[in-house]
Amino acid sequence: GAVVSQHPSRVICKSGTSVKIECRSLDFQATTMFWYRQFPKKSLMLMATSNEGSKATYEQGVEKDKFLINHASLTLSTLTVTSAHPEDSSFYICSARYSGTGELFFGEGSRLTVL
Amino acid sequence: GNSVTQMEGPVTLSEEAFLTINCTYTATGYPSLFWYVQYPGEGLQLLLKATKADDKGSNKGFEATYRKETTSFHLEKGSVQVSDSAVYFCALFFQKLVFGTGTRLLVSP
Repeated sequence: GAVVSQHPSRVICKSGTSVKIECRSLDFQATTMFWYRQFPKKSLMLMATSNEGSKATYEQGVEKDKFLINHASLTLSTLTVTSAHPEDSSFYICSARYSGTGELFFGEGSRLTVL
Repeated sequence: GNSVTQMEGPVTLSEEAFLTINCTYTATGYPSLFWYVQYPGEGLQLLLKATKADDKGSNKGFEATYRKETTSFHLEKGSVQVSDSAVYFCALFFQKLVFGTGTRLLVSP
């Protein structure tokens, strides 16, 4: 199947700094990518939907100024956690929609730890 | 709103045992239903899906039937293997994808 890669897989940062997570579709073009956040023992919560070349659509309760999403090309979306705080520590997962079938393919996830 | 409820884990089984992971849903419309699997160190993968009532999704020996009357989509496998150890997520799609909390399956030799 199609491959979606996230980088970095793990990141530790200090409180107040910003962290960027990349999501790439390696062998297909994705006009739509999604960002999820997973808390321990909780389901994956959709944070935002990102469409190539336009502004992301954020879910209710997600701070758009804190979680900056950019989808500058058909194979790359980035999530930047700005001024990170310990409560932002979580597992972030992206998915990309394959235009041909509409199927979603998921990245391996990125674990963020804010000290 | 739409939601998915699945049984808490971990589910611990011996190899060749029968597996059931329960999943029920609440939806305002007629969603498509999915089971995703996450093996250790890997991303989520689609395991099977069903798009309408009474459809049965199947893959790798796993099956799940879309039961509208009980709003359920239980995952079953007749004989599990150690390699099936993973976290299984039930999900529904109706305008957007909504996940359950995941159920960890541990299969011992």
